[in-house]
Amino acid sequence: KNEVEQSPQNLTAQEGEFITINCSYSVGISALHWLQQHPGGGIVSLFMLSSGKKKHGRLIATINIQEKHSSLHITASHPRDSAVYICAVGSDKLIFGTGTRLQVFP
Amino acid sequence: DTGVSQDPRHKITKRGQNVTFRCDPISEHNRLYWYRQTLGQGPEFLTYFQNEAQLEKSRLLSDRFSAERPKGSFSTLEIQRTEQGDSAMYLCASSYSTANYGYTFGSGTRLTVV
Repeated sequence: KNEVEQSPQNLTAQEGEFITINCSYSVGISALHWLQQHPGGGIVSLFMLSSGKKKHGRLIATINIQEKHSSLHITASHPRDSAVYICAVGSDKLIFGTGTRLQVFP
Repeated sequence: DTGVSQDPRHKITKRGQNVTFRCDPISEHNRLYWYRQTLGQGPEFLTYFQNEAQLEKSRLLSDRFSAERPKGSFSTLEIQRTEQGDSAMYLCASSYSTANYGYTFGSGTRLTVV
């Protein structure tokens, strides 16, 4: 069993839909990261959180430390949100999930 | 500062050749990380530096791999005697050493061994 599990692996949505991506982890952490990766490889950091909830534009990230679970929500999804979303945990080094590939169609 | 830079962006090499990649981190960041990502997988940790000291190496890093950060600024990752299994995206990231600061990733170097 991987230390960081994401679901679903693949997700398709129509523009405007509300998206939820889940992440569960089995190790003790100091912080959890949500990252976005577009084709071509570059990774962009979306959120780093250790408790509660953070919001940036249409993106919301929550974490439940007791349940070792985090969710990334995208409200009013748009085709430009199409990317791979990766959950990662750790402090000195990151342990990554395998990512969720999101495709949003017009 | 333009972020984390990696060079080259793409490298195609023949099996058995040596390759070297370079990473220039954000100048204020004292930590530098190397990760490897194969198709359809999340990145895997290879090694990291704090300033010029290499603090940890993954068991994934065979003897054919070596990384340096000689002056605590840029870093190089060398792979000797490349194998087809080395084909992957090699990602560099940098951060402050203080806990709970975020990471900044480079665009990666895509290596193809033929």
